[in-house]
Amino acid sequence: NAGVTQTPKFRILKIGQSMTLQCTQDMNHNYMYWYRQDPGMGLKLIYYSVGAGITDKGEVPNGYNVSRSTTEDFPLRLELAAPSQTSVYFCASIFGGPEDYEQYFGPGTRLTVT
Amino acid sequence: GDSVTQMEGPVTLSEEAFLTINCTYTATGYPSLFWYVQYPGEGLQLLLKATKADDKGSNKGFEATYRKETTSFHLEKGSVQVSDSAVYFCALSDRSYGGATNKLIFGTGTLLAVQP
Repeated sequence: NAGVTQTPKFRILKIGQSMTLQCTQDMNHNYMYWYRQDPGMGLKLIYYSVGAGITDKGEVPNGYNVSRSTTEDFPLRLELAAPSQTSVYFCASIFGGPEDYEQYFGPGTRLTVT
Repeated sequence: GDSVTQMEGPVTLSEEAFLTINCTYTATGYPSLFWYVQYPGEGLQLLLKATKADDKGSNKGFEATYRKETTSFHLEKGSVQVSDSAVYFCALSDRSYGGATNKLIFGTGTLLAVQP
């Protein structure tokens, strides 16, 4: 199993550009999450999904969109990038069974908006 | 809403020193509690967990006890190694609530640097 994979690893965007961060998991997990990590601020939840076709907002959803057309993929779309979106983005997943507590994280995407 | 507060870093220790990283939480119910670790350039990994009051989570020499009366989940290790240098995150989830979404709420992280 590859676990949770994210692409790209690094990206520099100009203000106003758009991009999609890709996230794929091969563990047949039901739940998937997008977090952003700002220096000294911990991780904040952007969006999450409890299954294919179902998504919901987290704590900091503004400026982002997601979709979940398959169990494996959970892309994060940035429209009209702003400097405030400079961050490290992590995707995570969990199966969600009764004794299942561990979220598995991808390696992250470091995004700079200038 | 629910929140997690953990001690500011960085924490700098010599090898074999005793480690404590404090973590307290605020929650409306009885959340599950976690410590995640992030090594340089990597994603987060679960270090240990506790799912109910008085549970003790342990892994790789690290321990933390779920204290409902003090709403705390402090991380301890008796003898740290250079390889323990990383950022440590305390987190809670609604895993124990009805209709859980398994969302995690994180503290700000504590950087631990262990010197030889």
